Order: sequence, then C-alpha cells, then structure tokens
Amino acid sequence: KAGVTQTPRYLIKTRGQQVTLSCSPISGHRSVSWYQQTPGQGLQFLFEYFSETQRNKGNFPGRFSGRQFSNSRSEMNVSTLELGDSALYLCASSLNLPGQGSYGYTFGSGTRLTVV
Amino acid sequence: AQSVAQPEDQVNVAEGNPLTVKCTYSVSGNPYLFWYVQYPNRGLQFLLKYITGDNLVKGSYGFEAEFNKSQTSFHLKKPSALVSDSALYFCAVSDQTGANNLFFGTGTRLTVIP
Repeated sequence: KAGVTQTPRYLIKTRGQQVTLSCSPISGHRSVSWYQQTPGQGLQFLFEYFSETQRNKGNFPGRFSGRQFSNSRSEMNVSTLELGDSALYLCASSLNLPGQGSYGYTFGSGTRLTVV
Repeated sequence: AQSVAQPEDQVNVAEGNPLTVKCTYSVSGNPYLFWYVQYPNRGLQFLLKYITGDNLVKGSYGFEAEFNKSQTSFHLKKPSALVSDSALYFCAVSDQTGANNLFFGTGTRLTVIP
C-alpha cells in the first residue's frame, strides 16, 4: 500500500516567486492536512481539506493557500515568497471523518523549500 | 485552546537502559494523543496513539506510552534503548470537538549512547 507522496522533495525559489507543492494521500483517505516545520517555530498547522473543502485553517497569512481535488490529491501554494517561508512542508492524510479524529495521520516525507 | 509541552529539548540515555520522553498536554474535553518520530531529512513516522480505553498504549518498535488524565501527561517509554532509537520525537494532541488538526510539542531529541 503506497504511503503519502509529496512532490517535489526539494525546491529552491527566489524571494517574490510563487511555489506549488503537491500531496497524494493514501488511497481511500479523504482528509489531507498540511504542516510547516521550521527550527524556530516547530510544527505548525496550515490547513486541512476534506472532500475538496477547506475545513480548518491555521494562523498563516493569505499568501498560503491550498486546494483539494476530487481524487483527494492536494496542492498548496505560497505566493510572493519570503525568506522566512523556507521550511519543510509536510502533508498528512487520514481516514478521519469531520469531527472524528480517531484514526491518526500518516505523514509524507515532506518538501524542503529553500527561499533565497 | 490545545497545547502540548515537551519540557526536555534533549534526552541522553545509555544503550540498554530504559528511556522516557515526557509530554504534557492541555485540551478542552477528551484528548486524542499521538507520538511521532522523525529521522533526519524525513517526515514523521507514527509510533502510537491514545484514543480511549487502556491507559497504557503499546506502539511500534517496542515503544509504549502511559496516559495519565489527572496529570495530563502522555510520557513515551521504552524498556531498553537502542542506538537506532536516536531521533527527534514529537508529542501531539487533537481534541474531539471537530477539528482534525494536530498540535505538536516542540520536540525532544533523543540520543542513545553506545
């Protein structure tokens, strides 16, 4: 059974550019969440999607956005990149239904974004 | 609001000795609690979770954790540490009110000394 797949693994972008990251969840998982990991702030929740709808959003500026497709694959986009956006971006998929967080989350290996 | 505290940034233990990585949490209502491990340049690997039931939860690679509601703790333990257990460990909590996002602790770096 394939795990959570994130592409690309590594990205280098210039300040001011935009970037799109992709996440393919485990087959059958309809909930996809995104997290940002930095040395200073640790792991922070970005947003969660279920059945193509954003259900929950963390405390990030509007430059961070995402979407989910009908096959549950998800993308996140960061516009007008800043140096502080350099981080490991992790995607997690889950069988959890809205309001039922008991199944846990499977994480991908992440996309390492470096903004120069 | 939910929060997780991992009071130790670093834990060192000799190979073969028991290890404990501490975690306390704060949630409104009943918690879902998780432990994840992260190896260099990798994502998070699931170790174990507490949803309900027995307070002692057994997980992957010989790890276990004890849920203590009165102390709001969920410490990770292993009877005999291996050098290969050296990694970054994260405790996380979500609540049962509807949101599916996890709140993570700041992580504890475990070093097992041969």
